[in-house]
Amino acid sequence: GAGVSQSPSNKVTEKGKDVELRCDPISGHTALYWYRQSLGQGLEFLIYFQGNSAPDKSGLPSDRFSAERTGGSVSTLTIQRTQQEDSAVYLCASSLRRTSGSTDTQYFGPGTRLTVL
Amino acid sequence: AQSVTQPDIHITVSEGASLELRCNYSYGATPYLFWYVQSPGQGLQLLLKYFSGDTLVQGIKGFEAEFKRSQSSFNLRKPSVHWSDAAEYFCAVGSGGGADGLTFGKGTHLIIQP
Repeated sequence: GAGVSQSPSNKVTEKGKDVELRCDPISGHTALYWYRQSLGQGLEFLIYFQGNSAPDKSGLPSDRFSAERTGGSVSTLTIQRTQQEDSAVYLCASSLRRTSGSTDTQYFGPGTRLTVL
Repeated sequence: AQSVTQPDIHITVSEGASLELRCNYSYGATPYLFWYVQSPGQGLQLLLKYFSGDTLVQGIKGFEAEFKRSQSSFNLRKPSVHWSDAAEYFCAVGSGGGADGLTFGKGTHLIIQP
């Protein structure tokens, strides 16, 4: 079946502009995760959703970053007033379920490479 | 807070030789451990995972990893590498059964010599 898809694959923007990154999870996966991969910081967890709610936003680097998920499916990560340090690859992952006492595996999309000039 | 250390930034191995990539973790409870591989321009692909039970886990592409609680390690091994194994390898630890945000190591870049 189809895996996690992300769009766009590449995004170049000017400093100060807003950007939206999209993630389509694997069909039926209720949990969705955003990560950022940069040369200096490696892979960092940003936020996860269970259904449409986000119990853990602890990884969002600043209040310029926000994310939403609608219909328990597609998610959008928005970065307002982009800065050069926001340049990175943004990865999305999804997993089948999140229930207490169960185990889970995250499946990753190909990522969106964001370049802020 | 949980953390993962991959002490080797780069490793070079001859094709056909054996491979071991090191991973040490810090976590207060039972860890959920993962190895992912990332080829250039690609997303992360899961190689294998450890949740509980047998400490030697088998994965895809001929990889295996051994969980050693006493050493807080989860090293990845392969008996004979192929040129197609050249990639970036990430070890990760998770909580909540692996359903929380994962903490990744910095990665090990594997180079295969002909």
